[in-house]
Amino acid sequence: NAGVTQTPKFRVLKTGQSMTLLCAQDMNHEYMYWYRQDPGMGLRLIHYSVGEGTTAKGEVPDGYNVSRLKKQNFLLGLESAAPSQTSVYFCASSYGGLAANEQFFGPGTRLTVL
Amino acid sequence: LAKTTQPISMDSYEGQEVNITCSHNNIATNDYITWYQQFPSQGPRFIIQGYKTKVTNEVASLFIPADRKSSTLSLPRVSLSDTAVYYCLVGDYSGNTPLVFGKGTRLSVIA
Repeated sequence: NAGVTQTPKFRVLKTGQSMTLLCAQDMNHEYMYWYRQDPGMGLRLIHYSVGEGTTAKGEVPDGYNVSRLKKQNFLLGLESAAPSQTSVYFCASSYGGLAANEQFFGPGTRLTVL
Repeated sequence: LAKTTQPISMDSYEGQEVNITCSHNNIATNDYITWYQQFPSQGPRFIIQGYKTKVTNEVASLFIPADRKSSTLSLPRVSLSDTAVYYCLVGDYSGNTPLVFGKGTRLSVIA
């Protein structure tokens, strides 16, 4: 099992460009999450999904959109990238409810917006 | 969700036991206490979870007093490879409210 994978691993964008980050999991998990982590900071939740076809906002959703068309995939989109979105993005998944269930994290995507 | 407070950073020498304490004064009856570990340039990984008393696994021990208002993660005989950020989180299994990762405790192990 690959667990949680993220594509791409690195990306450099210019301000105003758009891109989509792909997260895939092969554990048949219902819940998936997108976090961002800035230097010296903890993880902040951007959006999450409690099942195929559902999405919900987290702590810092502005400037991002997500889609969960298939259970195994969770896409994070940046429509018009800004330098403030320079960060490391982590995707995670869990079997059950959000709070106490173990979350499995991907390796991260390092995004730089110039 | 119960808010947690933990030290920003700690230093330790190799071979020592490290104890990281987390405060969660408003923990709810159904809440569990979970710790994650994050190595540099990697995503966090679950290391231990408990509800009350003591839990031990191959990585760490978790001590929870009777009032459950705090918990202590204990790492026995740390090595350089234990250098990481450790996050304490509190939440239950039933709700649909996401976890909140704080800034965690940055543990630096020195040779």
